Amino acid sequence: DAGVTQSPTHLIKTRGQQVTLRCSPKSGHDTVSWYQQALGQGPQFIFQYYEEEERQRGNFPDRFSGHQFPNYSSELNVNALLLGDSALYLCASLGRGLGYGYTFGSGTRLTVV
Amino acid sequence: AQSVTQLDSQVAVFEEAPVELRCNYSSSVSVYLFWYVQYPNQGLQLLLKYLSGSTLVESINGFEAEFNKSQTSFHLRKPSVHISDTAEYFCAVTTPHGSSNTGKLIFGQGTTLQVKP
Repeated sequence: DAGVTQSPTHLIKTRGQQVTLRCSPKSGHDTVSWYQQALGQGPQFIFQYYEEEERQRGNFPDRFSGHQFPNYSSELNVNALLLGDSALYLCASLGRGLGYGYTFGSGTRLTVV
Repeated sequence: AQSVTQLDSQVAVFEEAPVELRCNYSSSVSVYLFWYVQYPNQGLQLLLKYLSGSTLVESINGFEAEFNKSQTSFHLRKPSVHISDTAEYFCAVTTPHGSSNTGKLIFGQGTTLQVKP
């Protein structure tokens, strides 16, 4: 049973560009959350999707947007990249309730130059 | 709003020694608590969780944590560590969101555990 799959694993972008990161949740999971983890920091919640709608949002600017597809997979889009957007972006999925906790992917390492 | 404080940014112990990683949280409502472990260049793996019931929770690899509501703590302990336990450990808290238990996770800053031979 595959866990959470994220692509790509690494990405280098230039300031001002746009980026799309992808996430496939664990089989049976229908809720997807995205987190940003800066170097040496704990993950910070960006937003959460359920039933193709954004349900919760953290303290991130509108440059960060997302989407969830009917098959529960999700995309994170970041526009007008800044140097400070360089981080590990983690996707986490959840099934029915917190019984098994969130399952995290291995992340996408984004470097903005 | 909730917050999590991990009291030690780095902990270094010798192999087979006991270890405690400290976590305090702040919340005005009931919480669910988690410990995650992150190995280099990897995502987060769930170590253990407290949702309700017994305040002492255990993982399959020898870690345990105790939920202390009066002290708002959820410290992680292991009686005898191995070299392979070297990793970053994160404490996290969440609360019920609406009618579902799908609240966002709020993480501490992490504790780097180094186990020395």
